[in-house]
Amino acid sequence: QKEVEQDPGPLSVPEGAIVSLNCTYSNSAFQYFMWYRQYSRKGPELLMYTYSSGNKEDGRFTAQVDKSSKYISLFIRDSQPSDSATYLCAMINYGGSQGNLIFGKGTKLSVKP
Amino acid sequence: DVKVTQSSRYLVKRTGEKVFLECVQDMDHENMFWYRQDPGLGLRLIYFSYDVKMKEKGDIPEGYSVSREKKERFSLILESASTNQTSMYLCASSWTGEEDTIYFGEGSWLTVV
Repeated sequence: QKEVEQDPGPLSVPEGAIVSLNCTYSNSAFQYFMWYRQYSRKGPELLMYTYSSGNKEDGRFTAQVDKSSKYISLFIRDSQPSDSATYLCAMINYGGSQGNLIFGKGTKLSVKP
Repeated sequence: DVKVTQSSRYLVKRTGEKVFLECVQDMDHENMFWYRQDPGLGLRLIYFSYDVKMKEKGDIPEGYSVSREKKERFSLILESASTNQTSMYLCASSWTGEEDTIYFGEGSWLTVV
C-alpha cells in the first residue's frame, strides 16, 4: 500500500461549484497536513496547512483532517477558473525530518467558465 | 516575500554531458531540497541539505550529486546526463521545525537528448 493516495483526476467542474479534493494515507504517525496548488509549468505554492485533526478555513478554502479514517480533504467553495491547477496533498510526522515530507501525486482540477 | 530562484528554467543537454542546476534562496533557510516531478510519479526527493556542506539522500539519488558551499545556494549536479533524467526539477527551502514553510522555486525543465 502506498503511503499517500490521491486521485489524479482530471476533475472538471463548472464555475461556482463546490470542489472536494481528497487524499488517503496509511501512516498513522503523520501529524502535519498540507495542500499545495501548482499552476501549469510553475512550482507548488502552499495553500493550506493543518496540524492533527479538525478543520481549517481560509476564505473559499477549507482543509479537513480525519485521522481516524486517515483521510484529508480540501474543499473549494464558489470555484473560479483561476482555481484551475493541480492540487497536491503533503504530510509529515511530528518531529520528522522535512526530508520525510510525503506528497500525493496531485489532482488536476479544471474550472470551466 | 520568500524567493527561491532557479537560475535555468529550460535546458536542453546531450547525453553524457555534465549538468548543473543552481538554486538560491533569500530567506536564510537552513534546509534546501531538490525534487524531480514526473507525470504519474509525482514529486520525488533527490537530495536535501539541512546545513552548509551537509546533505542526505532522498528517494532517488542515483545519478545525481549535490553541493552546498553557502547557506543560500544548493546545486544539483548530473555527472553524466541520461535521457531518463529528462524531467522538471524543483528546488525548495525551509526553516527547521516549521513544516508549513517549505517554499518552492519555479522549476527547471531539463530535456536530455
